[in-house]
Amino acid sequence: AQKVTQAQTEISVVEKEDVTLDCVYETRDTTYYLFWYKQPPSGELVFLIRRNSFDEQNEISGRYSWNFQKSTSSFNFTITASQVVDSAVYFCALSEAAGDDMRFGAGTRLTVKP
Amino acid sequence: DGGITQSPKYLFRKEGQNVTLSCEQNLNHDAMYWYRQDPGQGLRLIYYSQIVNDFQKGDIAEGYSVSREKKESFPLTVTSAQKNPTAFYLCASSADWGAQDTQYFGPGTRLTVL
Repeated sequence: AQKVTQAQTEISVVEKEDVTLDCVYETRDTTYYLFWYKQPPSGELVFLIRRNSFDEQNEISGRYSWNFQKSTSSFNFTITASQVVDSAVYFCALSEAAGDDMRFGAGTRLTVKP
Repeated sequence: DGGITQSPKYLFRKEGQNVTLSCEQNLNHDAMYWYRQDPGQGLRLIYYSQIVNDFQKGDIAEGYSVSREKKESFPLTVTSAQKNPTAFYLCASSADWGAQDTQYFGPGTRLTVL
């Protein structure tokens, strides 16, 4: 069965620091999709990125970057020069082509202090 | 503006009462989902609907019921059979049913049982 582990429950950094959120997944499927969502204090989950299992290229979007490594089953998320507005809970999720649903990790609460 | 709306934002219920949470989307998406989120945990799937007039149980369907009579609407009823209904409920939709389809979320409803 598919599984997503976010071992970091809470992370606290000072503004302008770089921070990496870890995501490790388990799947037997060869075709799968990985997602990251941001949940600010308002509660709504905001979609950040989707990556399929055949594309291991790293992706950068502004201050955000993602490192997908199939060899270690990881899909880590880095925020460069963090800002207070980055404070939120971040979820990693996995969806298998042969599966029925999306599995979420427990989330990592990031606090960025001014 | 296209999006997903959930109402109400906060809901209080007495034990033994049924309550219905609303979810509406104007994205013309075929698939819709209901998730439950408890403090410090990831999202767990309650029900999903691949297409109008069809729905399937997720991991924690006991004590919940849904209907999908219209494409844009997917209401969730929390019945008195649900033993521990206090939680944050999130509705989502995706263009189609498939692992590759990104789910977009509504703002959520926080249910408290008194």
